Amino acid sequence: GAVVSQHPSRVICKSGTSVKIECRSLDFQATTMFWYRQFPKQSLMLMATSNEGSKATYEQGVEKDKFLINHASLTLSTLTVTSAHPEDSSFYICSARDRAGGYNEQFFGPGTRLTVL
Amino acid sequence: GESVGLHLPTLSVQEGDNSIINCAYSNSASDYFIWYKQESGKGPQFIIDIRSNMDKRQGQRVTVLLNKTVKHLSLQIAATQPGDSAVYFCAENIRGGSQGNLIFGKGTKLSVKP
Repeated sequence: GAVVSQHPSRVICKSGTSVKIECRSLDFQATTMFWYRQFPKQSLMLMATSNEGSKATYEQGVEKDKFLINHASLTLSTLTVTSAHPEDSSFYICSARDRAGGYNEQFFGPGTRLTVL
Repeated sequence: GESVGLHLPTLSVQEGDNSIINCAYSNSASDYFIWYKQESGKGPQFIIDIRSNMDKRQGQRVTVLLNKTVKHLSLQIAATQPGDSAVYFCAENIRGGSQGNLIFGKGTKLSVKP
């Protein structure tokens, strides 16, 4: 149980295009989903927190107009990188918190490798 | 700056030996801690967690120790295997923190020599 999937697993796009990444909780309902970015050999940096049916809360320094987050249902959140540039190339990871779950355990997706040419 | 950090960025051990990965945290309001394992190109995988009202918790081959006095957390892996090679992150949850966000440490790369 507690499986989180992401799609796509890797994407290569041209500079200036937009890319959408999906995060799904497969066997549980997630009231809260988190989006992280991870650069090579670095730790996970929280970008934003999304709650089902409400606007996402962005961390300081993360542009909400560039990284659009939609959490339309209890099992799906999407991150859209708009007008992507090479500096947006990174490993994007989502996590989900089980609505009925324990203390604050987050279940992570497998990540999406974004490369912007 | 980050409130969670690690003493050792890399750790190399012989197969069969025990591994100890350390983590220091600075926020005394943290009440929940998790260790994650991340293999190359994959998302973090939950290993073990501990609440602040405990000082030790054991799992299968892993033990987490929490010393609130010195704000120190450690992960002990018994009989380390090649499959344990990965980057290990500690993460903390600050009591009353915004929506239960986790703050991740920098990570320690564990390499297991056969």
